[in-house]
Amino acid sequence: SQTIHQWPATLVQPVGSPLSLECTVEGTSNPNLYWYRQAAGRGLQLLFYSVGIGQISSEVPQNLSASRPQDRQFILSSKKLLLSDSGFYLCAWRQWSWETQYFGPGTRLLVL
Amino acid sequence: GQQLNQSPQSMFIQEGEDVSMNCTSSSIFNTWLWYKQDPGEGPVLLIALYKAGELTSNGRLTAQFGITRKDSFLNISASIPSDVGIYFCAGQLGAGNNRKLIWGLGTSLAVNP
Repeated sequence: SQTIHQWPATLVQPVGSPLSLECTVEGTSNPNLYWYRQAAGRGLQLLFYSVGIGQISSEVPQNLSASRPQDRQFILSSKKLLLSDSGFYLCAWRQWSWETQYFGPGTRLLVL
Repeated sequence: GQQLNQSPQSMFIQEGEDVSMNCTSSSIFNTWLWYKQDPGEGPVLLIALYKAGELTSNGRLTAQFGITRKDSFLNISASIPSDVGIYFCAGQLGAGNNRKLIWGLGTSLAVNP
């Protein structure tokens, strides 16, 4: 069966510090991968998606970036965090032939 | 970006009551998905709908894919305290690797025991 992991679960970072959030998927190959941000427990905002290694599509311009160094690994990064980057970050995967996206447990980021 | 109109935004009901929420859009979708998010966790898929007019049940949950393909509703019968959470609809556009989910803003459900 497939599982999706996110690390860390919670993170408190000062403004201006770098960020690296990791998402890994097990039990599948060549998944489509997604990064979402959720502010204040409401709507999901798609940040990035990837259909393969090294292939990243950005949905919203911001100071975040994403990378996919391996087939089942998706990383969200920032060089300098802003207060507005605080939120709940969710990674999701989808098999290319399936309709449904499956979500990880999320990372709660607080920028102070 | 593109979004679905999901309503109501929030509901506060008594245990045992039925719940109904819906999503509408000006776009035509080929798939509708309903998710539930518990506090502090990732959304979990409840029901997936693939054909216009389709009516699908999952326990006390029932969802329908609107005949115009522009709307969907989710009903919860005989609510219980563990139904608390945020419910999201999502409609799918495109095909293949260009498939994209468009999300509603969520319906926050509170159940009073």
